Amino acid sequence: DAKTTQPNSMESNEEEPVHLPCNHSTISGTDYIHWYRQLPSQGPEYVIHGLTSNVNNRMASLAIAEDRKSSTLILHRATLRDAAVYYCILRDSSNTGKLIFGQGTTLQVKP
Amino acid sequence: GAGVSQSPSNKVTEKGKDVELRCDPISGHTALYWYRQSLGQGLEFLIYFQGNSAPDKSGLPSDRFSAERTGGSVSTLTIQRTQQEDSAVYLCASSFDRFYEQYFGPGTRLTVT
Repeated sequence: DAKTTQPNSMESNEEEPVHLPCNHSTISGTDYIHWYRQLPSQGPEYVIHGLTSNVNNRMASLAIAEDRKSSTLILHRATLRDAAVYYCILRDSSNTGKLIFGQGTTLQVKP
Repeated sequence: GAGVSQSPSNKVTEKGKDVELRCDPISGHTALYWYRQSLGQGLEFLIYFQGNSAPDKSGLPSDRFSAERTGGSVSTLTIQRTQQEDSAVYLCASSFDRFYEQYFGPGTRLTVT
């Protein structure tokens, strides 16, 4: 499975936008970019995914570089509830769908 | 609708005993996954079910670990002769199919004393 690289931690102020980067230089053509987050003492939660085009949903936006070697998860207005560990995962469309989690980015949101 | 549920939420057992952890996936979800998260460690994949069959068991750490799924629904993860290193939060996830987003349960915290 292709690997991803994320910063260990980031800080944000409440109600400001947050850009969480992810590098995936060994991504293959069939790999989808998935983002999950894990709030304290909870199971992970799906956030968003994409293949080539930028994606938006009610939770966040996903910006994918033209060469697909990096992507950025964008939270438009961070709230205290967004404090979590954010995982960027490459998911091969031909495999079992299992998620291979890295260490993720711990996002701290300050009031 | 109801999400993924797991039971028990907490389990304390003595070293050497067997334990069973249960997962009730979202109704209609054909894919089911087990993961575990050890203290200070990341989440690691254990096993994947499609229906009642398990085409990927590659994450099971030893032959003390086994899992089954019946009726395309409930799954049970069994750990025999538990060891202290088995202490972790065991998470179950289900999805409509293997290509769809996964929904996670709250986990079972297993402590082996």
